[in-house]
Amino acid sequence: SAVISQKPSRDICQRGTSLTIQCQVDSQVTMMFWYRQQPGQSLTLIATANQGSEATYESGFVIDKFPISRPNLTFSTLTVSNMSPEDSSIYLCSIPRTSYASGELFFGEGSRLTVL
Amino acid sequence: SQQGEEDPQALSIQEGENATMNCSYKTSINNLQWYRQNSGRGLVHLILIRSNEREKHSGRLRVTLDTSKKSSSLLITASRAADTASYFCATGGGTSYGKLTFGQGTILTVHP
Repeated sequence: SAVISQKPSRDICQRGTSLTIQCQVDSQVTMMFWYRQQPGQSLTLIATANQGSEATYESGFVIDKFPISRPNLTFSTLTVSNMSPEDSSIYLCSIPRTSYASGELFFGEGSRLTVL
Repeated sequence: SQQGEEDPQALSIQEGENATMNCSYKTSINNLQWYRQNSGRGLVHLILIRSNEREKHSGRLRVTLDTSKKSSSLLITASRAADTASYFCATGGGTSYGKLTFGQGTILTVHP
């Protein structure tokens, strides 16, 4: 199985600030996926991070709020900008587990953000 | 409900008992997956069942799929305290790649 390291594992942030979450994978992958899990809720895909191109954002998520970098095939960052308490969530990085078509994913341990 | 809805939302049982969780979904699927999440941490893939399969086993896990009813069930037999977690079903894959649609999840508590 793949090893996915996320940093930070948790943080407490002030309203109006921005925080960058890092995701490091121990193997090269073309696509990486960023999910959000709001308190007591299920997971929602924020965007797909492709190496060498702009991230593809899902409906309701925009680049200005969640800029993503993908400088190489093993690393990605997600920034949560101008945070408000509504951004308090667990943010999870994931990669394909087998073939892309199966949709099976490996997940990182998540980054739990609390915005005051 | 989850694209799927999961049922029940919470389940509390004693060690050794079986736990059954249900998931319903709304659209046609390529496959359906089940994941476990311990204490708000990362998700762990448990099992995948394809749309042309009706039942699948993995260790103490048994998954069924009824595409006519757009529903699936996850059975954990002889549960252990370590099975305490949230369980999510998810649909997607195919041309959607990593875009999975998760259900709301079932919180399972297994008492020793």
